Amino acid sequence: DAKTTQPPSMDCAEGRAANLPCNHSTISGNEYVYWYRQIHSQGPQYIIHGLKNNETNEMASLIITEDRKSSTLILPHATLRDTAVYYCIVRLPAITGGGNKLTFGTGTQLKVEL
Amino acid sequence: EAQVTQNPRYLITVTGKKLTVTCSQNMNHEYMSWYRQDPGLGLRQIYYSMNVEVTDKGDVPEGYKVSRKEKRNFPLILESPSPNQTSLYFCASSFETSGLNEQFFGPGTRLTVL
Repeated sequence: DAKTTQPPSMDCAEGRAANLPCNHSTISGNEYVYWYRQIHSQGPQYIIHGLKNNETNEMASLIITEDRKSSTLILPHATLRDTAVYYCIVRLPAITGGGNKLTFGTGTQLKVEL
Repeated sequence: EAQVTQNPRYLITVTGKKLTVTCSQNMNHEYMSWYRQDPGLGLRQIYYSMNVEVTDKGDVPEGYKVSRKEKRNFPLILESPSPNQTSLYFCASSFETSGLNEQFFGPGTRLTVL
């Protein structure tokens, strides 16, 4: 799976958009970008994933650059409950031999403040 | 409510005393997995199971055993725990083994081996 690089920490004011970047310059053509988050030692929680098109769900939006070498997770209106470590993961689908393992790096600690 | 449950949530034990951490999911998921999380090392996969009676080693299987006799349960067994197995453990499951679907994580089991 491709290596990812994320800033170790970010701050965001409550109610504002939180934009979390991820660099994955070695991503291959069939690797997907996934985002999970972990709120203080709780079980990680899935947020969103995509291949090359931008994706949006009820939690967030995922913007993937045209060359797919980086992406941004957007929380449109961050709240205090969004304070968590956010993990960007790049991986192959299991059916292509990538297995179903998630490899978490150190992620970005997002702190949402009043 | 769809969920992954783990028991116990907290456990303090002594070296060499066999223990089992249970994991159960109520979503009829084929895939289940165990991870451990240690400071600075992220989440590392211990074992995984693609379906009933099908299990395989992850990245750090030494000192652990698993079984998958029923679809819903995937217990983690430490036959002779040692202090280096002190960690935060997470069980996860997903609907299929393609790797494209989100993984649901349990709340975690914090294990201390003295």
